[in-house]
Amino acid sequence: GDSVTQMEGPVTLSEEAFLTINCTYTATGYPSLFWYVQYPGEGLQLLLKATKADDKGSNKGFEATYRKETTSFHLEKGSVQVSDSAVYFCALSKATGGGNKLTFGTGTQLKVEL
Amino acid sequence: DAGVTQSPTHLIKTRGQQVTLRCSPKSGHDTVSWYQQALGQGPQFIFQYYEEEERQRGNFPDRFSGHQFPNYSSELNVNALLLGDSALYLCASSLRTPGNTEAFFGQGTRLTVV
Repeated sequence: GDSVTQMEGPVTLSEEAFLTINCTYTATGYPSLFWYVQYPGEGLQLLLKATKADDKGSNKGFEATYRKETTSFHLEKGSVQVSDSAVYFCALSKATGGGNKLTFGTGTQLKVEL
Repeated sequence: DAGVTQSPTHLIKTRGQQVTLRCSPKSGHDTVSWYQQALGQGPQFIFQYYEEEERQRGNFPDRFSGHQFPNYSSELNVNALLLGDSALYLCASSLRTPGNTEAFFGQGTRLTVV
């Protein structure tokens, strides 16, 4: 079945450091790929998405490129802030039969320190 | 736009009891999905409802059941609660159109089984 693998956390960075969180996937067909963010005590917020190969999703300084050849969707940010501290989830979805079940990775906790 | 709303936010139940969680989808959305997120894990798909019927189901026992109402709101019912059912339960809504894979999440219901 479909699956998503993320790098394990926690990842601890200093403010203004460069961030990479690795994500690879296994899926048949042509999934859409997502990054969701979860702040403490809250639900999931969609951070960015890409629906086809070579698409780049971007939002709030975060970027990720859909790489079909390496089945990857790594999340990057050039300069992190303390407010970026949260858990980040990589996910995939396929619009099969009209439904859009999401398959998530286990999440990567990011801690940004001053 | 109120977004996806869930109730209650927190709930404590005793083993063997039954629980009902509620979800109102984002305005204009017709599909509701439920996810279980255990502590430190990614969300796991429970099931999805569209046109008042269960359309997809994840690997969860029959103790987990649901319902969707004509106004698209939904309930998740869990019978014979186990300690292992303690988790954050997330509702996601989406619009069932060809190729659409995007879902919006509520804040979740934190269920504790004692």
